[in-house]
Amino acid sequence: DGGITQSPKYLFRKEGQNVTLSCEQNLNHDAMYWYRQDPGQGLRLIYYSQIVNDFQKGDIAEGYSVSREKKESFPLTVTSAQKNPTAFYLCASSIPPDRYGYTFGSGTRLTVV
Amino acid sequence: GESVGLHLPTLSVQEGDNSIINCAYSNSASDYFIWYKQESGKGPQFIIDIRSNMDKRQGQRVTVLLNKTVKHLSLQIAATQPGDSAVYFCAESYSGAGSYQLTFGKGTKLSVIP
Repeated sequence: DGGITQSPKYLFRKEGQNVTLSCEQNLNHDAMYWYRQDPGQGLRLIYYSQIVNDFQKGDIAEGYSVSREKKESFPLTVTSAQKNPTAFYLCASSIPPDRYGYTFGSGTRLTVV
Repeated sequence: GESVGLHLPTLSVQEGDNSIINCAYSNSASDYFIWYKQESGKGPQFIIDIRSNMDKRQGQRVTVLLNKTVKHLSLQIAATQPGDSAVYFCAESYSGAGSYQLTFGKGTKLSVIP
């Protein structure tokens, strides 16, 4: 079955550490997105990529970095510069021009310890 | 009601009743709208979509209504079941922006009382 897989489901980060969240899709979708979700808030866009080897900053890119070396993969690194990284992170993919919405992964919950 | 701080708007309904979840969208030029359902600890799932050339669309037990005059979207769930308990998000996009990105609302939490 085609889908989008995020790993790990739970991740713990120590202060000052960088951590990388994985997102893989086998839907042959061109576009991929990373969102952050905090309690009681909507989805906020961190980064997106519409094509391999190209990506754009979203609304809250500071403290995060991404790469898009393969169509199937769009990993997100949460750097030590992100001062409040504890959140639920969602990866999504779509076929632009997207008229059918996004397919979301099941999310990674990141906690700073 | 409006969300304040960390609290999502909440709608509590009795099992078997109909639910209506509302969403005010921001861009009058938006031409495509989606409703998503998100269960606790999971990613959002597509429920139903509607284009701006329509004002109503029906799915299985769900209906979406679009009122472009007041920039309002609603999701109606018929015969609400305990499995419908989740947070519901609306999303909008504008094809003229070129990137076709979705902009998400903050969500409404639906609680179904057995």
